[in-house]
Amino acid sequence: QQPVQSPQAVILREGEDAVINCSSSKALYSVHWYRQKHGEAPVFLMILLKGGEQKGHDKISASFNEKKQQSSLYLTASQLSYPGTYFCGTEGGVETSYDKVIFGPGTSLSVIP
Amino acid sequence: DTGVSQNPRHKITKRGQNVTFRCDPISEHNRLYWYRQTLGQGPEFLTYFQNEAQLEKSRLLSDRFSAERPKGSFSTLEIQRTEQGDSAMYLCASSLERERTDTQYFGPGTRLTVL
Repeated sequence: QQPVQSPQAVILREGEDAVINCSSSKALYSVHWYRQKHGEAPVFLMILLKGGEQKGHDKISASFNEKKQQSSLYLTASQLSYPGTYFCGTEGGVETSYDKVIFGPGTSLSVIP
Repeated sequence: DTGVSQNPRHKITKRGQNVTFRCDPISEHNRLYWYRQTLGQGPEFLTYFQNEAQLEKSRLLSDRFSAERPKGSFSTLEIQRTEQGDSAMYLCASSLERERTDTQYFGPGTRLTVL
């Protein structure tokens, strides 16, 4: 089943923070986050594994709550380089068995100077 | 530059024609994926290969679609008797199986327009 992302779209002023949520109806092994700019390929941001991981680099971080089957992506002090569509991809399955990644519908993020 | 290349970048065809797309993954990557993406949607899984073996194919994929990965290197995706509903961006991604899960690197995609 496709994960649900919220919000569908967000408009920020430069310097504001944003949170993008991703939730699934099934148990998850991992969550993958990507950003896609218009007309370009999705670019990998980070993977979070079951176990309640939190990760971050620069001003973008994410958390994974496997009990709630949810992940959140945090973008702080938004910059003009942040705009694009953010996708989460969820992977189910068990520890020993690979499962394909199913991508959500995306969250469109715009930044106003 | 992720290193995954796809050709052609754009393809315009008439309904009923066959088309073939090519994907060259990052050289050491043993997994290769095909996705379809339409406007405003996330990549939709079509199929994936581990080396030359096609391990999974989406139930959404009709018999008009076929994919190959001979010798576990490049891959081709063929669509026979194209329909207007096939118009989409076709994305290829590759990954290196290291652990239970791995990072997929996407190519630039092939945009198909069926007239």
